Amino acid sequence: KAGVTQTPRYLIKTRGQQVTLSCSPISGHRSVSWYQQTPGQGLQFLFEYFSETQRNKGNFPGRFSGRQFSNSRSEMNVSTLELGDSALYLCASSFLAGNAEAFFGQGTRLTVV
Amino acid sequence: QKEVEQNSGPLSVPEGAIASLNCTYSDRVSQSFFWYRQYSGKSPELIMSIYSNGDKEDGRFTAQLNKASQYVSLLIRDSQPSDSATYLCAFRDNYGQNFVFGPGTRLSVLP
Repeated sequence: KAGVTQTPRYLIKTRGQQVTLSCSPISGHRSVSWYQQTPGQGLQFLFEYFSETQRNKGNFPGRFSGRQFSNSRSEMNVSTLELGDSALYLCASSFLAGNAEAFFGQGTRLTVV
Repeated sequence: QKEVEQNSGPLSVPEGAIASLNCTYSDRVSQSFFWYRQYSGKSPELIMSIYSNGDKEDGRFTAQLNKASQYVSLLIRDSQPSDSATYLCAFRDNYGQNFVFGPGTRLSVLP
């Protein structure tokens, strides 16, 4: 069974640009969550999608947005990139939202210069 | 008060010893608790989940949950150098929604 797939693995962008990251969950999983990980802040929750609906949103500015498609694949978009957006972006999939265990993809390393 | 607290470490133990990792949380209604292992430069990997008070064992790993004390721990028996990583505890909040992660404890197992 394939795991969670994130693309691209590495990305370098310039301040002010926008970026779109993709996440394909484990087959059969319908919940996808996104996290930002930085050395100083640890793992910070961005948002969770279940059946194409955003269920929860973390404390991030509106420049961070996402969506989920009918096949459960999810995309995350960051507009007007700032240097502080440089981080490892992780997505995790669960069979259900709620108490289910979450499995992480390998992440996308975003560097903003 | 922070929602999840862990000692940042590093926690150093000799090979073959028991490593004990601790986590306290502030949300009394949390129902689901998880331990993840993260190697440097890699993504978190689920080790164990625990939902009820008491101990849960899986191979060399034992998770212990005490909801009254709002405390969850992970014991690693017969520690190996390959266990050297950062260990993150996490819980689902009181609505069973967001995952809340602790800052992680860095474990170093010395050969």
